[in-house]
Amino acid sequence: GAVVSQHPSWVICKSGTSVKIECRSLDFQATTMFWYRQFPKQSLMLMATSNEGSKATYEQGVEKDKFLINHASLTLSTLTVTSAHPEDSSFYICSAPLPGGNQPQHFGDGTRLSIL
Amino acid sequence: DQQVKQNSPSLSVQEGRISILNCDYTNSMFDYFLWYKKYPAEGPTFLISISSIKDKNEDGRFTVFLNKSAKHLSLHIVPSQPGDSAVYFCAASANFGNEKLTFGTGTRLTIIP
Repeated sequence: GAVVSQHPSWVICKSGTSVKIECRSLDFQATTMFWYRQFPKQSLMLMATSNEGSKATYEQGVEKDKFLINHASLTLSTLTVTSAHPEDSSFYICSAPLPGGNQPQHFGDGTRLSIL
Repeated sequence: DQQVKQNSPSLSVQEGRISILNCDYTNSMFDYFLWYKKYPAEGPTFLISISSIKDKNEDGRFTVFLNKSAKHLSLHIVPSQPGDSAVYFCAASANFGNEKLTFGTGTRLTIIP
């Protein structure tokens, strides 16, 4: 069964709207979660690393004021796309590694965000 | 700078035969490698992984081979089944999986019945 839950799976909204995406680890604690973005026919690109109890670490070129990340608890990280515009339309996916070393990251089912 | 590369964007294999997907990397700090299977509009599903201290890991129909000197890994699927048709991504990480994943560009595998 799924070990990482992501919600919502699909969002359509008007330009200028802020959208929040939730990522939950199921039955395990994740001090670190990762947020990726995938544009059509491209690979997954890491946006930021979400750290419980501290600020997120953003990859180069990702605007931290536009993509707000909050790791509220050991099982929940949220990504808020603020004042979304059509160019933010993409597939957003979160992941969390199982505890311990040499453990794979498991991914949520992703959120398809469409900005009109 | 593409640190993880999958040079074959697509691959077609007859059902029952072996599928071999290849991946190359350039960053010598990578020490943990993974293969994921992905369908459109879904998150990647973990298939198999390998640590840099090994050169082979097997799980059912899936085997991953790692050649550290060549910075190359491959995924073998045998026998291939129609349900294996999907996009396959290889990914690499440092610190034995506790760091972020760097993904390859993906290979679309089509199994022909």
